[in-house]
Order: sequence, then C-alpha cells, then structure tokens
Amino acid sequence: AQSVAQPEDQVNVAEGNPLTVKCTYSVSGNPYLFWYVQYPNRGLQFLLKYITGDNLVKGSYGFEAEFNKSQTSFHLKKPSALVSDSALYFCAVRVRSSASKIIFGSGTRLSIRP
Amino acid sequence: IAGITQAPTSQILAAGRRMTLRCTQDMRHNAMYWYRQDLGLGLRLIHYSNTAGTTGKGEVPDGYSVSRANTDDFPLTLASAVPSQTSVYFCASTPGSGSADTQYFGPGTRLTVL
Repeated sequence: AQSVAQPEDQVNVAEGNPLTVKCTYSVSGNPYLFWYVQYPNRGLQFLLKYITGDNLVKGSYGFEAEFNKSQTSFHLKKPSALVSDSALYFCAVRVRSSASKIIFGSGTRLSIRP
Repeated sequence: IAGITQAPTSQILAAGRRMTLRCTQDMRHNAMYWYRQDLGLGLRLIHYSNTAGTTGKGEVPDGYSVSRANTDDFPLTLASAVPSQTSVYFCASTPGSGSADTQYFGPGTRLTVL
C-alpha cells in the first residue's frame, strides 16, 4: 500500500535552534513531494515542493527540504526556528502517473518555545 | 473574492439530514478537490474534478457526491449525514490537473453531525 509517514506527532524546538520535521514515503515510481503548513483555524498553505533536479529545495519563510531517494525521505528543515513557525505541518506525495492520487501524512505539530 | 471561499464556516447537523458544502474559486483553476481532515489521519481525498463537467472518486467517497457545472464552483453534498462524517472539510484547487501542481486550499468548513 502506498503511504506517507510523519513519525513524530509533535516536535518541540527552542527559538533560534535548527528544526527538522521528518517525512518518509512508500509509493511506486518517482513521486512529486510537497510540504504544506496549517495555522490554527486556517486552510493549508504551500511551503515547497520537489519535482526534479537539486535534492535540496528552498521554500517560503526560510524553510527547505532535502529529497533522499535511497531513504525515500523528504525532511523539512530550517536553520533557525521562530516562534511564528509554530503550526501543523503536512507532507504530501503525488503519484506522477495519476494526478488524482494524493497522499498526505498525518501531520506534525511544531512548537517553538521562546 | 480572492482565492477559494467555503461556506458555511461551521455547521451542526442532525443525522439523516442533507447538507451541501459550497466551494467557489476565482482563480480560473481547472482542477478542484474535496478533502476531509480528521485528527491523526491527515487529509483524505473525497472527490476531485480535473475540469468542469468531470468528477472522480478519491480515497473516501462513500456518502458524498459532487458536481462541477462550471469552472468556479464545486459543491460537496452529504445526502444523508451520519456522525462519522463529523470532520473539517477543505476544498482545494490547482491550475491544471498535473501531479506537479501546487494545491491552493480554502479556509475549511467544520461540520458536526449529531
């Protein structure tokens, strides 16, 4: 079965420290990979995506993600966390051969303490 | 209107009642989607439409129906609501129907079925 795993329900980081939100996937072929962020009582907002090319993708608000094909991972990172980064983060995978096949992870709540 | 709007914002519904959730976008996007968000499960695709006049089933379509009479509107109907349909519902759109397209989300509708 195709799936996306976000192994941590919650990640706690001190402001100014680097952060990592993990995502691994199990899908056939070479999928497109996305990260979205959800603030309280809001819809999801796009952060970044990997389509092809450089394995390090840079996105909004200083976030970046590294695609690792051998480990089937797409971890979200930021060098220096801000309190305003506190939100719910979702990893998503879209199968190249079927645009309607969209799989979201269960989400990771990121909490940045001052 | 800017982006995607959803109505109502929230609704409490008696089991067995019929309910239509509305979604309208002003970006002239071809593809539209309906998701439900449940704690610990992330987002799951209910139905989608690649272009006006066509619809398709997602991961969890049972108990829901959609129509796409024009580009802008994509209503989701619960013919006879059940408590398990209590959830937060998000509408989304993409410019095209390709797998690499970024999704744009509406603010969501919180539905409670009693």
